[in-house]
Amino acid sequence: GDSVTQMEGPVTLSEEAFLTINCTYTATGYPSLFWYVQYPGEGLQLLLKATKADDKGSNKGFEATYRKETTSFHLEKGSVQVSDSAVYFCALLNYGGSQGNLIFGKGTKLSVKP
Amino acid sequence: DSGVTQTPKHLITATGQRVTLRCSPRSGDLSVYWYQQSLDQGLQFLIQYYNGEERAKGNILERFSAQQFPDLHSELNLSSLELGDSALYFCASSVRDGNQPQHFGDGTRLSIL
Repeated sequence: GDSVTQMEGPVTLSEEAFLTINCTYTATGYPSLFWYVQYPGEGLQLLLKATKADDKGSNKGFEATYRKETTSFHLEKGSVQVSDSAVYFCALLNYGGSQGNLIFGKGTKLSVKP
Repeated sequence: DSGVTQTPKHLITATGQRVTLRCSPRSGDLSVYWYQQSLDQGLQFLIQYYNGEERAKGNILERFSAQQFPDLHSELNLSSLELGDSALYFCASSVRDGNQPQHFGDGTRLSIL
């Protein structure tokens, strides 16, 4: 079945460092890909998305490119801030199956130190 | 503020009991989704409703059921509770059927003693 694999955390960075969180997926067909962010004590928020190969999703300085050849959707940010500390979830939605069935990775906890 | 309201925020109960979790979607959203977040299983999709009708079902146990009411709020009923049901239960909503859930509530933390 469809699945998402994220790099294990936690990831600890200093402020202004470069961030990469790796995400790879397994899916039949052409899924849409998403990154969600969960700040402490809150629900998830959609951070960015890409719906087809080579699409780049971006928001709040974060970017991810849908790479079909490597089945990847890595999240990047050039300069992280303390306020970016959160758990990041990679997810896919395969419209061929249950429409609400977002499949999530396990999440990667990011801690940014001042 | 996502606009999705979940109550209660915390729930503590015992094995064998039954609880009801409530969700009010963001204003204007017709789809409601329920997810379970636990340490071992991660985030799991449970069920989706659109405008009162069940649209998709995920890894939802037979002991669990849900419904969406005419005012679009939804309830998730968990019965014969087991220790392993302890988790965060999230509700999410979106405008249309077929959209990915965009707006998540802050969750209900269920603890089974």
